[in-house]
Amino acid sequence: DTGVSQNPRHKITKRGQNVTFRCDPISEHNRLYWYRQTLGQGPEFLTYFQNEAQLEKSRLLSDRFSAERPKGSFSTLEIQRTEQGDSAMYLCASSLGTGRPGELFFGEGSRLTVL
Amino acid sequence: QQQVKQSPQSLIVQKGGISIINCAYENTAFDYFPWYQQFPGKGPALLIAIRPDVSEKKEGRFTISFNKSAKQFSLHIMDSQPGDSATYFCAASKAAGNKLTFGGGTRVLVKP
Repeated sequence: DTGVSQNPRHKITKRGQNVTFRCDPISEHNRLYWYRQTLGQGPEFLTYFQNEAQLEKSRLLSDRFSAERPKGSFSTLEIQRTEQGDSAMYLCASSLGTGRPGELFFGEGSRLTVL
Repeated sequence: QQQVKQSPQSLIVQKGGISIINCAYENTAFDYFPWYQQFPGKGPALLIAIRPDVSEKKEGRFTISFNKSAKQFSLHIMDSQPGDSATYFCAASKAAGNKLTFGGGTRVLVKP
């Protein structure tokens, strides 16, 4: 399968702990996005990368959140000092960035539960 | 600020019927309007998309209608099938950024 891969699929943690999610995009895609989705809502944009450069961050992304894409391939999203309000599905998506703007390919998500 | 508003939140349709979902946007800089389909436990997947220079686009049983002056667009699912039962999201983006702004979603249930 050459789609977008996310790990872990589900993470349960206690409030105050740090968690990290990994996303492996489709190999030839140079843009990578992180979204957050809560139950019954549409995905909310968090941040995106063009190759290794982080080009935009949402105001939703507090100082406890950090994302990296060190070599322009896989990306990690770290949440420090988790809070119960961080419980959500974290979706990663990738795109070519050219040709068909807006066509994002999503992974199956990493579900975070903060107890 | 909710830039893309979607309605209804849910709808139930009989097999063979028509499902209609509406969206309205505020930002006139948006120029790409995709619809995504999401099944439980899966990520959203692109269904069909339209640009504002076209008023209608049809792909199989799925049709997007676009009204630029009203800043509204809609998805019609013709001959709805039980396998169409999913959550549908409209979205919008600016060509330069590719970042998508999503509506709140519509949960569609097709009864056999």
